[in-house]
Amino acid sequence: DAKTTQPNSMESNEEEPVHLPCNHSTISGTDYIHWYRQLPSQGPEYVIHGLTSNVNNRMASLAIAEDRKSSTLILHRATLRDAAVYYCILRDIIQGAQKLVFGQGTRLTINP
Amino acid sequence: KAGVTQTPRYLIKTRGQQVTLSCSPISGHRSVSWYQQTPGQGLQFLFEYFSETQRNKGNFPGRFSGRQFSNSRSEMNVSTLELGDSALYLCASSPGLNSGNTIYFGEGSWLTVV
Repeated sequence: DAKTTQPNSMESNEEEPVHLPCNHSTISGTDYIHWYRQLPSQGPEYVIHGLTSNVNNRMASLAIAEDRKSSTLILHRATLRDAAVYYCILRDIIQGAQKLVFGQGTRLTINP
Repeated sequence: KAGVTQTPRYLIKTRGQQVTLSCSPISGHRSVSWYQQTPGQGLQFLFEYFSETQRNKGNFPGRFSGRQFSNSRSEMNVSTLELGDSALYLCASSPGLNSGNTIYFGEGSWLTVV
């Protein structure tokens, strides 16, 4: 079964870039890579997702390795509001049923 | 556009009781899934519904059940509550069964079993 592996915690400084890694060495060809973040006492918030190509949106960038066995979420200029637990999730639809694989999440601390 | 709405937000129950949690998906979304989140186990998948049919079920005992109505609203029920059922229960919706669709989560229902 596919699984995702993330560092338990990372720390960065405000206004610096942050690179959050995720390993998914057993990813299948049709798994999408989704990233979510969760603030205390809130539900996970969508950040970005992709399949094969790198993706950019207003929140972040997603860099996907050529073999798709790893990906990196990039926050270009971290702010204090980016402090959260970041989850790397694999999502696929198999025979009409959703399959989700969650990582344990990376707790990101931003220092002022 | 309203987000995913879960009720109640907080509740306390006694061991042995049962509880029903409700989820209203984003308008137009037909897929609803439920998750349990605990500090020790992280996020775990409970079930998924699409067009009133359960499409997938996680590895939870039969005390955990759910259903989806014709308007896509969903409920989950936990019977004979145990202390270990204390958790944040999250509902998420997406437009359909496409793995590239974005999943939107609700704020969750905090259940404490005493």
